[in-house]
Amino acid sequence: GDSVTQMEGPVTLSEEACLTINCTYTATGYPSLFWYVQYPGEGLQLLLKATKADDKGSNKGFEATYRKETTSFHLEKGSVQVSDSAVYFCALDTGFQKLVFGTGTRLLVSP
Amino acid sequence: NAGVTQTPKFRVLKTGQSMTLLCAQDMNHEYMYWYRQDPGMGLRLIHYSVGEGTTAKGEVPDGYNVSRLKKQNFLLGLESAAPSQTSVYFCASSSGTSYSNEQFFGPGTRLTVL
Repeated sequence: GDSVTQMEGPVTLSEEACLTINCTYTATGYPSLFWYVQYPGEGLQLLLKATKADDKGSNKGFEATYRKETTSFHLEKGSVQVSDSAVYFCALDTGFQKLVFGTGTRLLVSP
Repeated sequence: NAGVTQTPKFRVLKTGQSMTLLCAQDMNHEYMYWYRQDPGMGLRLIHYSVGEGTTAKGEVPDGYNVSRLKKQNFLLGLESAAPSQTSVYFCASSSGTSYSNEQFFGPGTRLTVL
């Protein structure tokens, strides 16, 4: 079945450091790919998405590129802030309007 | 717009008790979902609905029932709660169109079953 694998956390960084959170997927067909973010005590909210190969999603300084050849959708940010501390979930939608989530990666950014 | 709201926010049950979680959305979305979030397991889909009056099973439906009598509401029921159902429950909704499949999430309900 469809699945998403993302790196285990927590990822601990100092402010202004570079961030990469790895995400790879297994799916039949051509899924849409998403990154959702969950701030402490809140529900998930969409951070960015890409709907076809080579698309780059971006938002709030975060970027991820849909790589079909490596079945990956890694999340990157050049300079993290304390306010980026959250749990980040990679997810895919194979077109049936149902999301399959990874296990989440907690990011902790210290001043 | 309130978006997606969930009630209650917290609940403690004893084994065997029943309860209903309510989800409401004011975005006129067709699709609604119930997930549970457990440590180290991400979010798993319990049940979902593609429109008023419809429901379908997700990945982990056992022990839960749902109803979608009105388009804006999606209820999740536990008939006989078990400790394994201790979790954080999230409701979500989406428009259901092919190119607008972002899901909007509620703030969650933390349920503890003793």
